[in-house]
Amino acid sequence: EIVLTQSPATLSLSPGDRATLSCRASQSISSSYLAWYQQKPRQAPRLLIYGASSRATGIPDRFSGSGSGADFTLTISRLEPEDFAVYYCQRYGTSLPVSFGQGSKLEI
Amino acid sequence: QVQLVQSGTEVKKPGSSVKVSCKASGGTFTSHTLSWVRQAPGQGLEWVGRVIPDLGIANYAPKFLGRVAIIADKSTRTVYMDLSSLRSEDTAVYFCAREGIVVVPPSKGAGAFDIWGQGTLVTVSS
Repeated sequence: EIVLTQSPATLSLSPGDRATLSCRASQSISSSYLAWYQQKPRQAPRLLIYGASSRATGIPDRFSGSGSGADFTLTISRLEPEDFAVYYCQRYGTSLPVSFGQGSKLEI
Repeated sequence: QVQLVQSGTEVKKPGSSVKVSCKASGGTFTSHTLSWVRQAPGQGLEWVGRVIPDLGIANYAPKFLGRVAIIADKSTRTVYMDLSSLRSEDTAVYFCAREGIVVVPPSKGAGAFDIWGQGTLVTVSS
């Protein structure tokens, strides 16, 4: 099973700042089958990025994903108040089981 | 617009079973695989398993093998997750999610989850 490790565990920033979250896999992820989700308290996760860099429908362009192989990054270019949440990376594609990182909390 | 609506809160005794449902509205039910993901209080996301409605095939995470069954009822557009031999560690919110970002045939791997149910809290307590 591929293990995903996210860093930092918590990131404290202010609205208007740039946020960079990291997701490292224990082995290379084929074809960049890496997704990012945002989760707010008492809500279901929301898909932000898939295929490492493609934005999901309706996701603002301040969210961007990059990376390949075993190292991936989610960048939020200019934080809005509603962006403060927990972010998870996920490996999907071939080779079950699906796995998630442990999450990174973005706080004010 | 596809929506996934889950059944309500459950409180169960240790050793018992729970069955959680996820009903799809809109779209074509058999077109996409549905997964179950759980989240223990204050913890991260954990994949439980999935079912391919068109084929009736299910896959499970190794830690749940033998304790979980996921089935799809095409006539009612509903997916069920049945978890048995419950213990306190199974206390969690259980989400169903559609694998809407398909990258390989469902029988060969999973997609990314584009639509989620609202979650069902299952509490296991004596």
